[in-house]
Amino acid sequence: DGGITQSPKYLFRKEGQNVTLSCEQNLNHDAMYWYRQDPGQGLRLIYYSQIVNDFQKGDIAEGYSVSREKKESFPLTVTSAQKNPTAFYLCASSIWDSADTQYFGPGTRLTVL
Amino acid sequence: GENVEQHPSTLSVQEGDSAVIKCTYSDSASNYFPWYKQELGKRPQLIIDIRSNVGEKKDQRIAVTLNKTAKHFSLHITETQPEDSAVYFCAATNNDYKLSFGAGTTVTVRA
Repeated sequence: DGGITQSPKYLFRKEGQNVTLSCEQNLNHDAMYWYRQDPGQGLRLIYYSQIVNDFQKGDIAEGYSVSREKKESFPLTVTSAQKNPTAFYLCASSIWDSADTQYFGPGTRLTVL
Repeated sequence: GENVEQHPSTLSVQEGDSAVIKCTYSDSASNYFPWYKQELGKRPQLIIDIRSNVGEKKDQRIAVTLNKTAKHFSLHITETQPEDSAVYFCAATNNDYKLSFGAGTTVTVRA
């Protein structure tokens, strides 16, 4: 999991702003994932991508968007349509044929001011 | 979709005692069950996993058991130490590349 990086570590957003969270991996993993973590609720899947130029919605995709233009990058945009974006965001990746074993980045803590 | 329930939500144990966390899942097709440990403000780290063709797996002080008939699996930590204090998450997948996580168990090891 040391090969997955997220930036920034802390991010502050004003009401009505879009912000983009970065996720990069150098593990040559095919699949990448975005999760949101709130206290007492575990990890909830926002979006995932199994291959470049393709991605699918997870359980809580509303108010979020992603792109997968490169294998090593999977940025997440939190749009103004996301009404309660304050949370800890975790990116993960996995090898295509062992996609169930996921390795996590260090996370980005987003706070709405 | 898969639904994973985890109990207890908090667990306090005396150093040296054992800790047990239990999870149940709803999808009988689920075939992979990882456990993650997350220290405060850090990323979740995979600590052990088990696949549906195995009933038990052990790694030093950590063991996981799986009962496919009852659709539940458990994490056992023996001889607990202060560094075992963390939040533990169970998860399950039917190999559709999505993990469903339990809500987590906060384990506190008292010295």
